Order: sequence, then C-alpha cells, then structure tokens
Amino acid sequence: DAMVIQNPRYQVTQFGKPVTLSCSQTLNHNVMYWYQQKSSQAPKLLFHYYDKDFNNEADTPDNFQSRRPNTSFCFLDIRSPGLGDAAMYLCATSSELTGPMELFFGSGTQLSVL
Amino acid sequence: AQTVTQSQPEMSVQEAETVTLSCTYDTSESDYYLFWYKQPPSRQMILVIRQEAYKQQNATENRFSVNFQKAAKSFSLKISDSQLGDAAMYFCAYRSGGLTGGGNKLTFGTGTQLKVEL
Repeated sequence: DAMVIQNPRYQVTQFGKPVTLSCSQTLNHNVMYWYQQKSSQAPKLLFHYYDKDFNNEADTPDNFQSRRPNTSFCFLDIRSPGLGDAAMYLCATSSELTGPMELFFGSGTQLSVL
Repeated sequence: AQTVTQSQPEMSVQEAETVTLSCTYDTSESDYYLFWYKQPPSRQMILVIRQEAYKQQNATENRFSVNFQKAAKSFSLKISDSQLGDAAMYFCAYRSGGLTGGGNKLTFGTGTQLKVEL
C-alpha cells in the first residue's frame, strides 16, 4: 500500500548530540511537511518542501534543518537537541497537482532527549 | 492568519450513542478546506472527513458527518453509534484552497479528547 513511513518509531538522543529523523513516501506527492507535536498539544508546522523548494515557518528555531534529496525522502536534522525538543515529529505529504487536499501522515517518531 | 478553535478539551459518550464535537474557525478567505483528523494512542493522524467550503452539502462518511455552517464559521463533527475504537484525540483543521504553488498548510485546533464508555 502507498504510504508515508517514518523511521525510527522511537529515537533517544543526548542533549546537544545531533540527530536525524527520516521520512519516506510511496505516494509520489510533491509536498512534504514536518510537524512537531508536544504532549497534549496540536501539531505545529516546522517547515515544508514544495517539490525542491524549502519553506521555513517564521518561528522555527535555527536548530532545526531539513533535507529533501529526492521526491521520496525527507529528513529532519536537529543540530543540537535541547530538552525542549523532546516531542513527536510527524511527517506528512500532500499532492498539490491532483489533490485530494488532505495531508497524509506517517506514524511519527517520538524523540526523547536525555 | 487563520485560527481554529476547539472549545471542548474532553468529551465522553456512551457506546452506541451519538456525540458532537465542536469547531469554529476564523478566516477571510472564501476558498478553503476543513478536515477532522483522528489521533488514537498510536499517534497516527488519520483523516476522518473532509469538507470543501464551496460545497453546501454536509460531508458524510459512514457514521461520521459534519454540520458545516459557512456563515457562522462552524464545522462540527457528529459521530453516530459510537464504538470503543472511536476513542481518540480529534483535531479540526483548516487549509487554504487553491494551488498556491507554495504548498498549503494545515492549521490545527487544540483537539478534543473523546472517551467512549461501556
């Protein structure tokens, strides 16, 4: 089945140690998003790629970076994780060419910072 | 900027009964989409139902239906014949319409935690 896959499901890192979360999709969607969701809160958009164009949200910390080497893959890099970065990170995709207009989400990566 | 408000942090319903979750939004746009997403304990976001603003008819998906009041900017979700598997966090979300070339973002409400009781 076509889907959005996030690895790993759980990630533990140390304070200040760089970490990379990955997302892949078989939907061939041209837009990919990264959301941060802290406990009992709504997901918050960090940035998204429209094709190869990177779109950063104004309030996303510089500590968060992203790469999209091809249509199928997108990575979230946290350069120096702090305790406040512990959260669920959700990857999502959408197709701006054919619709439908909803976002398709992966299962998320739960990040813990020790 | 668009905002989405869910005023019910938590709701409970008896199994087989009906429950309505509220959502209001604020926008100056005329073309947009509204969604209800379900997030069970697994944290996977699952689309429940979608409504296009240009459609007057309320969307329905099996036991799930919406009451879309465009003038009032209200978008409530009705769950009929509630089942234990419906227990989850429900998020209302807004998205601008049209193909802007920059990707259209989802703006989420703060969520309603639905509990289903035997």
